[in-house]
Amino acid sequence: QVQLVESGGGVVQPGRSLRLSCAASGFRFSNYGMQWVRQAPGKGLEWVAVIWSDGSNKFYGDSVKGRFTMSRDNSQNTLYLQMNSLRAEDTAVYYCARANGLNHGYCDYWGQGTLVTVSS
Amino acid sequence: EIVMTQSPATVSVSPGERATLSCRASQSVSNNLAWYQQKPGQAPRLLIYGASTRATDVPARFSGSGSGTEFTLTISSLQSEDFAIYYCQQYNKWPPRVTFGGGTKVEIK
Repeated sequence: QVQLVESGGGVVQPGRSLRLSCAASGFRFSNYGMQWVRQAPGKGLEWVAVIWSDGSNKFYGDSVKGRFTMSRDNSQNTLYLQMNSLRAEDTAVYYCARANGLNHGYCDYWGQGTLVTVSS
Repeated sequence: EIVMTQSPATVSVSPGERATLSCRASQSVSNNLAWYQQKPGQAPRLLIYGASTRATDVPARFSGSGSGTEFTLTISSLQSEDFAIYYCQQYNKWPPRVTFGGGTKVEIK
């Protein structure tokens, strides 16, 4: 069965960096685009980024563009999110998700999420 | 940016009754719209994609309709496990700029 397991979350000071990982199993990882979606405490869902199956295209939400970088290692079935210059407003649960459809736009499987807290 | 507006913010429904949730896009998204269900402490779950196609293992009591700017998610006969928050999401734009609605909470009446 499809499994996505995020890791790397924690407490980090404003301005510092953090790298999230997402280990995928149960499907051919290299055939699918992937997304990161986040959810601030008590708030709704916010799209962060999408990456094409071969890593050739990456797109970011306006609030993270220039600070976050999404990448993948298809040989290790792993997705990454490098987060730099973190701000308090980046505090959220970060979900990785398998993407499908037009422009890899919707997510059919989600991980359980990893919490990132940006605080001094 | 395409803004997705969901209404109502909260709907109170008795078990067995029908619930109708609305989602409006600020510009046409064709049928590139998905619906998700989220329960407290859990990840979202895909219910509907392509505006009206049920995802794998989603019960038939969930149905989606609409195109362009107006969309509806209908739960025909609410079960106890359906009380949750529901989000719509558009994925029509190029370059990709996925946006979510603010959510509708379905609570027990």
